[in-house]
Amino acid sequence: QVQVVESGGGLVKPGGSLTLSCAASGFSFSDFYMSWIRQAPGKGLEWVSYISSRGDTTYYADSVKGRFTISRDNAKNSLYLQMNALRDEDTAVYYCARINDYGVYRFDYWGQGTLVTVSS
Amino acid sequence: DVQMTQSPSSLSASVGDRVTITCRASQDIVSHLNWYQQKPGKAPKLLIYYTSTLQDGVPSRFSGSGSGTDFTLTISSLQPEDFASYYCQQSNTTPLTFGGGTKVEIK
Repeated sequence: QVQVVESGGGLVKPGGSLTLSCAASGFSFSDFYMSWIRQAPGKGLEWVSYISSRGDTTYYADSVKGRFTISRDNAKNSLYLQMNALRDEDTAVYYCARINDYGVYRFDYWGQGTLVTVSS
Repeated sequence: DVQMTQSPSSLSASVGDRVTITCRASQDIVSHLNWYQQKPGKAPKLLIYYTSTLQDGVPSRFSGSGSGTDFTLTISSLQPEDFASYYCQQSNTTPLTFGGGTKVEIK
């Protein structure tokens, strides 16, 4: 069955860096776009970034552009999010999600999320 | 960017009630509208995509409609497991944007 499992969250100081990972299984990872979506405590969902199936195209929300970098390793069935210059407002649960692009882009499988806390 | 506005932000309803949630886009998104359900402490789950297509395994009491800028999610007969938050999301343009959510609570 399709599974995506995030890891790498934790407590980091403002201005610090952190890398999140997402391990995928149960589907042909290299055929799908992938995305990161976050949810601040008690708030709604915010799309962060997505990457094409081959990794040659990336998009970012304005709130993270220039600070976050999405990447993937299709040989390892893994997705990554390198987060630099972290701010208090980046505190959130970060979800990895598969994008199904047949017809319309939709996030059809989500991981359980990993919590990133930015605090001094 | 396309702004997505959901209403109401919360509602109280009883088991068996018909519930309707509205999502409005700030510009025409054709039919590129998806709905997700999220229960406390859990990841969101895709319910409906392309305005009205049910994701595999989603009960038929859920339905979606609309086009252009105005969309609705309807639960025909609310069940105990449907008490959750619901989010709309547009896929017509990047950035992909979500509505603010609607929390469905037990009356």
